[in-house]
Amino acid sequence: ILNVEQSPQSLHVQEGDSTNFTCSFPSSNFYALHWYRWETAKSPEALFVMTLNGDEKKKGRISATLNTKEGYSYLYIKGSQPEDSATYLCAPSDDGNNRKLIWGLGTSLAVNP
Amino acid sequence: DTGVSQDPRHKITKRGQNVTFRCDPISEHNRLYWYRQTLGQGPEFLTYFQNEAQLEKSRLLSDRFSAERPKGSFSTLEIQRTEQGDSAMYLCASSVIAEQFFGPGTRLTVL
Repeated sequence: ILNVEQSPQSLHVQEGDSTNFTCSFPSSNFYALHWYRWETAKSPEALFVMTLNGDEKKKGRISATLNTKEGYSYLYIKGSQPEDSATYLCAPSDDGNNRKLIWGLGTSLAVNP
Repeated sequence: DTGVSQDPRHKITKRGQNVTFRCDPISEHNRLYWYRQTLGQGPEFLTYFQNEAQLEKSRLLSDRFSAERPKGSFSTLEIQRTEQGDSAMYLCASSVIAEQFFGPGTRLTVL
């Protein structure tokens, strides 16, 4: 896995808006797709780990989908809140034994109250 | 606290000095990773341990960098003869299978 792209790079929304981000990655040698939420001065927080094509996962107002055949994942936030402001990073890992993460640049989300 | 810890959280050093960072993974996590994030970039993989064995090193890890995990528990990352380009956030993560749990990182500034 060589190239992970995330869009948009940054997003400013109003409280209550719903939003979504895209992560695209090469589909060969795929093992799992990780989504992380990273707030400044804190540790990256794991949101989802998805492995199967068609996987959909949900945690509260946040959900994610995975398409391994075409190499993309969407992250959705419903009814954004100011505390959702963070950088959202996706990282596929390959099917090698080390399972290392290959990171995108992230989408920086700012939610205005 | 049972999470991943890293020490120090911040390090300022002068060019040419050696620095060492420590990572304490979650107990019983056999996999340990080091990543580095520079300004404006996503994190990049540096190296991976399974128990005490260092199984992969990125080409980013020049010969000035060395990492150890002597007893399969904590790990250290040493940078010798630091350069300004080494300024970055150094992240450690541990896992059992797939999900990686991250520490807060060590921010290195090389003057």
